[in-house]
Amino acid sequence: KAGVTQTPRYLIKTRGQQVTLSCSPISGHRSVSWYQQTPGQGLQFLFEYFSETQRNKGNFPGRFSGRQFSNSRSEMNVSTLELGDSALYLCASSSGQAEETQYFGPGTRLLVL
Amino acid sequence: DQQVKQNSPSLSVQEGRISILNCDYTNSMFDYFLWYKKYPAEGPTFLISISSIKDKNEDGRFTVFLNKSAKHLSLHIVPSQPGDSAVYFCAAIEIQGAQKLVFGQGTRLTINP
Repeated sequence: KAGVTQTPRYLIKTRGQQVTLSCSPISGHRSVSWYQQTPGQGLQFLFEYFSETQRNKGNFPGRFSGRQFSNSRSEMNVSTLELGDSALYLCASSSGQAEETQYFGPGTRLLVL
Repeated sequence: DQQVKQNSPSLSVQEGRISILNCDYTNSMFDYFLWYKKYPAEGPTFLISISSIKDKNEDGRFTVFLNKSAKHLSLHIVPSQPGDSAVYFCAAIEIQGAQKLVFGQGTRLTINP
């Protein structure tokens, strides 16, 4: 099976712009979770989508949003970018069962200037 | 509020010796715990997990111990190898509850030859 893919791998934006990141889960997986990784905060949960519905949400401002399509592909959007949004954004897919391991993609590294 | 804590940001171990990575949690509702390993520029990779009904799970060189009364888990790697050098994240989930993975901040393990 192909693994989780994320595009783009690297992105440079300026403050105030918006960005959309894409994640394609492992075939057959219906759950996609998004995480932000920064050196100071570690891995922080953003949100989880299951069957096109947001099932869980972390403590991030409304500038961070996402959606999931009928083929389980997911997009994450960040509007009005701030310098502190520079991070590695990871998505992970699973079947959606709670005990299922999440399989991570390689991440998108976002740099906000 | 950090529900999962890895208090050691880094750990250095001699090749062939035992590596012990520690993780503490505060939410007594967590009932499933996982360890992930992460190399630079890659997403985290699942390593080993343990259910709260067990106190030990072993897989080759990797053993995870869970002490529920102390809300503490540890990952033992024996013997440590240079390829084990990576960042290790512990994660916890409340299966009947929010069903979202909560990660610790990570511990950077360096294996010295």
